[in-house]
Amino acid sequence: GENVEQHPSTLSVQEGDSAVIKCTYSDSASNYFPWYKQELGKRPQLIIDIRSNVGEKKDQRIAVTLNKTAKHFSLHITETQPEDSAVYFCAASIRTDKLIFGTGTRLQVFP
Amino acid sequence: GAVVSQHPSRVICKSGTSVKIECRSLDFQATTMFWYRQFPKKSLMLMATSNEGSKATYEQGVEKDKFLINHASLTLSTLTVTSAHPEDSSFYICSASPVPGTNNDEQFFGPGTRLTVL
Repeated sequence: GENVEQHPSTLSVQEGDSAVIKCTYSDSASNYFPWYKQELGKRPQLIIDIRSNVGEKKDQRIAVTLNKTAKHFSLHITETQPEDSAVYFCAASIRTDKLIFGTGTRLQVFP
Repeated sequence: GAVVSQHPSRVICKSGTSVKIECRSLDFQATTMFWYRQFPKKSLMLMATSNEGSKATYEQGVEKDKFLINHASLTLSTLTVTSAHPEDSSFYICSASPVPGTNNDEQFFGPGTRLTVL
């Protein structure tokens, strides 16, 4: 079955700096890769997603890149702000099939 | 936008009792719903896939007789934790996937249910 690894587990950055979180997946059939932001006690919130027919997608300060050959994808947050502090999860699935989540990255943005 | 609700939001029960959690898609039909469990400071772990009108598919290591799933309609799935024990205390989250053919891969998550077993 699918296995998703995520690094780093914690990430501390200064406000205004960039943050990068990386994930690798094992199942080459996976074709949908969402990223979620989760605050304590809340549901995961989709912040960006990418499908396997696209190599990069950007939405304001957030971008995701996908390398299908290497089976890894990354989340890039530029100009980080304190409100970006949260736990971020990557996930992989085959279309609307079950999502397999990475282990999570706790991002802290210091003012 | 698509909305998924869960009820209750939190529940405290005594060891040995059963607890039912409801997951509803409010403004779309969901052929498939998923149940996840999340322990403190851990990731979401898929427990089972709930299919409308058929038996749920459980992930390896998840006891189907302990975690009963029923998906009786296109908008409702229920998870019943039977004979709950303290180690079942966790955050349970459901997600719903739109009916195939909607060209939307996104899953929509419920707000979660915090279960505490005393």
